[in-house]
Order: sequence, then structure tokens, then C-alpha cells
Amino acid sequence: EAQVTQNPRYLITVTGKKLTVTCSQNMNHEYMSWYRQDPGLGLRQIYYSMNVEVTDKGDVPEGYKVSRKEKRNFPLILESPSPNQTSLYFCASGNRGPSGANVLTFGAGSRLTVL
Amino acid sequence: SQQGEEDPQALSIQEGENATMNCSYKTSINNLQWYRQNSGRGLVHLILIRSNEREKHSGRLRVTLDTSKKSSSLLITASRAADTASYFCATVPFTGANSKLTFGKGITLSVRP
Repeated sequence: EAQVTQNPRYLITVTGKKLTVTCSQNMNHEYMSWYRQDPGLGLRQIYYSMNVEVTDKGDVPEGYKVSRKEKRNFPLILESPSPNQTSLYFCASGNRGPSGANVLTFGAGSRLTVL
Repeated sequence: SQQGEEDPQALSIQEGENATMNCSYKTSINNLQWYRQNSGRGLVHLILIRSNEREKHSGRLRVTLDTSKKSSSLLITASRAADTASYFCATVPFTGANSKLTFGKGITLSVRP
């Protein structure tokens, strides 16, 4: 089944304790992206990757890192989490349909709480 | 930065009625997409309309695009309780390398049985 898999789905951690949210897709998509979703703010892009070893900042990259060493994986790293990073995180990957557009397939989400 | 702005923010209708949701955006686009999100779940792509298209249909969905007004509408006909969800429009900029899919804040649709 074509899917984007995120882990963990739920995590409670404490300020300053490094964590990694993994993301893997099995659709051979070149494009991958991380979003965070907060009430009243919708989805905001954190980082995206156009291909292996190619990453770029989205709208809210502060406090996050990413890497793209393999096509299928795009982990999101919080080096020193803070309470304002408490959020629902989504990983997504994209194909290029007939129009050349990135139609995204989303993971189920990772709910992170930073105390 | 949010490109698409959906309207209304919330919509409540009776099963069987049509639901119309609107999206406005600020800069020229390559294409506009609509996604649905069931509570707490990942978004699911519904339909894409390119900047040179005016209308597209997919099942009970109808999307229109008016580039002169920088707006789009999503119509769900004969709504069902299962259509209850949040709906997001997302835009890809005209000059972008298809890298920047920017989402609006979403519309919460409630369909009463």
C-alpha cells in the first residue's frame, strides 16, 4: 500500500531533550516536506526536500533540522525542543502529476508535547 | 506565509444539501488544490485545478477557478455525514519550482444527519 509512515505518532518529552520524528515513504517520490498544524494557524511548512541531499527552509524552520540521505526517508530533528514546538506534525511526499504539480500524500501525523 | 484564505471558517449544513467553500489567494498561481482532513488525521488530496482551467469535476466535487479574482470555490453536492471534515485549499506559485505548496487555515464543515 502506498503510504507515508511517521513515528512516533504520539510523544511527550521535556524541554531540551533531543528528539527525532521519522518519516518514510514507499512511493519513490522525490519531493518530501514537513508541516506543523496549530489551532487557528492552519498548516505551516517547516522544511522541504526536492530530492536526496537537497533541502530548503519553509516558513517556520527555526528550531528544526532535517536531512535527506535516502530518497525514502526525511527525518525531522528537534535538537533542543521547547514548549512552543508542541504541535501536530505532518510529513508529506509528492509526485509530479500530469501538470507537473506536487500532489501530496500525507502521513497520519505525530502529536508532540514538550513540557 | 499563508497564501490561500478559505471562507467561511465554519459551515454547518443538513445532509443532502450542497456545501460551497471559497478560497482566495494573493499571488499568481501554477495550480490550486483542495484537501480534506478528518479530525486529527492526515490530509487527503481531493482535486487539483491548473491556472488555465476554469472548472473541474470529480464525483460529487466541483471546483472552479477565477484567476482574475484570484479565487476558487469547492462545491460538494448532495452532502453526506461522512463529508464532515476540514477542507483546505493549497496553492503552488506560478514562478515556484513546484516546491512551495502553501495551505490556508481551513474550513470546518459539519454535515448534520
